[in-house]
Amino acid sequence: SQQGEEDPQALSIQEGENATMNCSYKTSINNLQWYRQNSGRGLVHLILIRSNEREKHSGRLRVTLDTSKKSSSLLITASRAADTASYFCATDNRGKGAQKLVFGQGTRLTINP
Amino acid sequence: GAGVSQSPSNKVTEKGKDVELRCDPISGHTALYWYRQSLGQGLEFLIYFQGNSAPDKSGLPSDRFSAERTGGSVSTLTIQRTQQEDSAVYLCASSSTGPRETQYFGPGTRLLVL
Repeated sequence: SQQGEEDPQALSIQEGENATMNCSYKTSINNLQWYRQNSGRGLVHLILIRSNEREKHSGRLRVTLDTSKKSSSLLITASRAADTASYFCATDNRGKGAQKLVFGQGTRLTINP
Repeated sequence: GAGVSQSPSNKVTEKGKDVELRCDPISGHTALYWYRQSLGQGLEFLIYFQGNSAPDKSGLPSDRFSAERTGGSVSTLTIQRTQQEDSAVYLCASSSTGPRETQYFGPGTRLLVL
């Protein structure tokens, strides 16, 4: 199964509401990253949180990391129509030989005007 | 250029033909990655280049897939004898040092095999 698994698979909310997406993973990590993808094209990096961090903010984004539960959440506050996209978490593995990020299946977020 | 570029943007080919997809990473980035994304799915890692080291080819799905990175910059992903299941968006990314850092993605090549 995927190292990073997002939950829910799809989320639809009204503009102005907050959106929360979760990511679970299985192995120890060095860091966890969140990316956004519009219209099935290139991904845009949103935020990186390191394994020794518990929370990080960037504008309307808030990311938490709980390494004991091997989970992370991405909160988008005061959502806008432009936030409609797919959101992916990506993890790398701690230790030698870790050569790649592993992406989850993504959460498809729809913001209704 | 300022970002990662890929060409072509779209490619339609017939089953059995070979295709080449090109990626120009951000200048100075030593790490380059290829991913495949089928419709509505997550990213599937294909191959990773880091400087002059031997590439990590562990994600290539079959021996019909190969990739090169010439001069530590431009990369070409080649799919030989294409099959319909190869239809997907092929995404390239680069990062300054390695996979633990932010990856910058190109717009992708949408491949359709008829």
